[in-house]
Amino acid sequence: DGGITQSPKYLFRKEGQNVTLSCEQNLNHDAMYWYRQDPGQGLRLIYYSQIVNDFQKGDIAEGYSVSREKKESFPLTVTSAQKNPTAFYLCASRLGGSANYGYTFGSGTRLTVV
Amino acid sequence: QQQVKQSPQSLIVQKGGIPIINCAYENTAFDYFPWYQQFPGKGPALLIAIRPDVSEKKEGRFTISFNKSAKQFSLHIMDSQPGDSATYFCAAIETSGSRLTFGEGTQLTVNP
Repeated sequence: DGGITQSPKYLFRKEGQNVTLSCEQNLNHDAMYWYRQDPGQGLRLIYYSQIVNDFQKGDIAEGYSVSREKKESFPLTVTSAQKNPTAFYLCASRLGGSANYGYTFGSGTRLTVV
Repeated sequence: QQQVKQSPQSLIVQKGGIPIINCAYENTAFDYFPWYQQFPGKGPALLIAIRPDVSEKKEGRFTISFNKSAKQFSLHIMDSQPGDSATYFCAAIETSGSRLTFGEGTQLTVNP
């Protein structure tokens, strides 16, 4: 079955550590996105990428970094510069073009600072 | 960033009731309006979507009503069930757009 796989499901980070969240899709989607969701809150865009080797900052990019070396993969690194990283992180992908604009989301990674 | 305003923030109904969630937008270039359903601890899933050339779309118990002149659209859930309890997000995107614009979300509780 095609879909988006996020790993790990739960992640614990110590103060001052960088951590990387994995996002892999086998849907042959062109665009990929990272969102942050805080309890009871909406979705805030961190970074997105429409093609390989290119990405753009979203609304809350500070303290985060990404790469897009392969079409299937869009890892997110939460750096020590992110002062409040505890949140639920969601990866999404989209085919693009005129036929389909909808996102497919992964099941999320819950990051906790300990 | 063009906004999509969603209301109410939370909604409680009894089983069998018809919850209605409303969204309003400003960008007249938006031409695709999806709704997402999210259960706790899970990623959002596409529920139903509509384009502005259609005034209503039904899929099972879920109906989108679209008012292009008012720049508003709404989600109705017929015969709501406790299993419908979730957070619902409306969204919008334009043909040349690269990212969806999401509403703030509505937390729906359907009591037995």
